[in-house]
Amino acid sequence: AQSVAQPEDQVNVAEGNPLTVKCTYSVSGNPYLFWYVQYPNRGLQFLLKYITGDNLVKGSYGFEAEFNKSQTSFHLKKPSALVSDSALYFCAARVGYSSASKIIFGSGTRLSIRP
Amino acid sequence: SQTIHQWPATLVQPVGSPLSLECTVEGTSNPNLYWYRQAAGRGLQLLFYSIGIDQISSEVPQNLSASRPQDRQFILSSKKLLLSDSGFYLCAWSRKGRGRSMNTEAFFGQGTRLTVV
Repeated sequence: AQSVAQPEDQVNVAEGNPLTVKCTYSVSGNPYLFWYVQYPNRGLQFLLKYITGDNLVKGSYGFEAEFNKSQTSFHLKKPSALVSDSALYFCAARVGYSSASKIIFGSGTRLSIRP
Repeated sequence: SQTIHQWPATLVQPVGSPLSLECTVEGTSNPNLYWYRQAAGRGLQLLFYSIGIDQISSEVPQNLSASRPQDRQFILSSKKLLLSDSGFYLCAWSRKGRGRSMNTEAFFGQGTRLTVV
């Protein structure tokens, strides 16, 4: 079955330090991958997406993600964390074919940035 | 620009009562539409997705149903709510995936917090 995995329920980082939120995927064909952020009681906001050919993807709010085909990973990164980055982060993948494709999500990682 | 509207924001319903959550999209045509449920502030479970009017795919067997009576309207329903139906329901849309457009992202509504009592 096709799936997205986020192995860490929670990541704790001090403000100003670099952060990494891990994601691995298992999908058939070319992977189309996304990162979203969710603040309490709100919908998901799109951060960035993987486009074939460029392994390092830059997105909103200073986030970036590195695609690694051999490790089937798409980790989210930021060089210097802010307290306002504290939120729930989801990795996602588009699966299926053509117009009938759908988007599946990982279980989410709660990122907590301490001052 | 495209917008997605989902209502109501919060809902408290008794067990056994019916449910109707509505989602509409503006500024685009022929979108793919999705209903997700998020339990306890964690992972998202895909409930239904639709590629067109009256074309609904159900991902998990459950007490809920979905309908798409118009191109940009997606409705989540139940005839009799269960306690286990409580959760945060999210509607989303995306452009059709085709070729290089397979990397299109989904855009989410603000969600409905459903509490079944």
